[in-house]
Amino acid sequence: EIVLTQSPGTLSLSPGERATLSCRASQSVSISYLAWYQQKPGQAPRLLIYGASNRATGIPDRFSGSGSGTDFTLTISRLEPEDFAVYYCQHYLSSPGCSFGQGTKLEIK
Amino acid sequence: QITLKESGPTLVKPTQTLTLTCTFSGFSLSTHGVGVGWVRQPPGKALEWLALIYWNDDRRYSPSLKSRLSITKDTSKNQVVLTMTNLDPVDTATYYCVHSQLQQLFDFWGQGTLVTVSS
Repeated sequence: EIVLTQSPGTLSLSPGERATLSCRASQSVSISYLAWYQQKPGQAPRLLIYGASNRATGIPDRFSGSGSGTDFTLTISRLEPEDFAVYYCQHYLSSPGCSFGQGTKLEIK
Repeated sequence: QITLKESGPTLVKPTQTLTLTCTFSGFSLSTHGVGVGWVRQPPGKALEWLALIYWNDDRRYSPSLKSRLSITKDTSKNQVVLTMTNLDPVDTATYYCVHSQLQQLFDFWGQGTLVTVSS
């Protein structure tokens, strides 16, 4: 089972700044089956990125994903107030099943 | 549009069995490639995948919980049922029902239901 480690645990930034979140896998992720989810307090997670770099339907283009192998990044180009949330990476299409990272909390500085 | 809703008990005693039902609309679980599963989240903690059932009745379980889980579907009722045995207080969590069009990629989520395990 692939273990995903996200860093930092908490990221403190101001609106308008650029956010860079990291997700590292314990072994290479085949064909970039890596996704990112956003979760706001009291809400269910929402799919942001799949296939490492593809935005899900309705996701603004300030969100972008990159990376391959074991190192992946979620970048938010200019933070909006509604972007402050917890972000999880996920390895999917995996046997015996998928795994999630422990999350990065993006908070307002 | 696709919606999923979880239902079941909010309080369960230790050692008891938990049965959760996901009732969905906007898609069919008999469509090739579609799956419905469960993800849980203890208060203040990370997401944990539990189980997934596919359109062809293929079932997958988290290796760490496999012995305690069972997932079934009723295509005619648009429902998926998760059963978890021998509950412990550490199983206290919000349980989410999820839709998957591509294996284990969860593009739609239910609102979640909080289950507390306590005597």
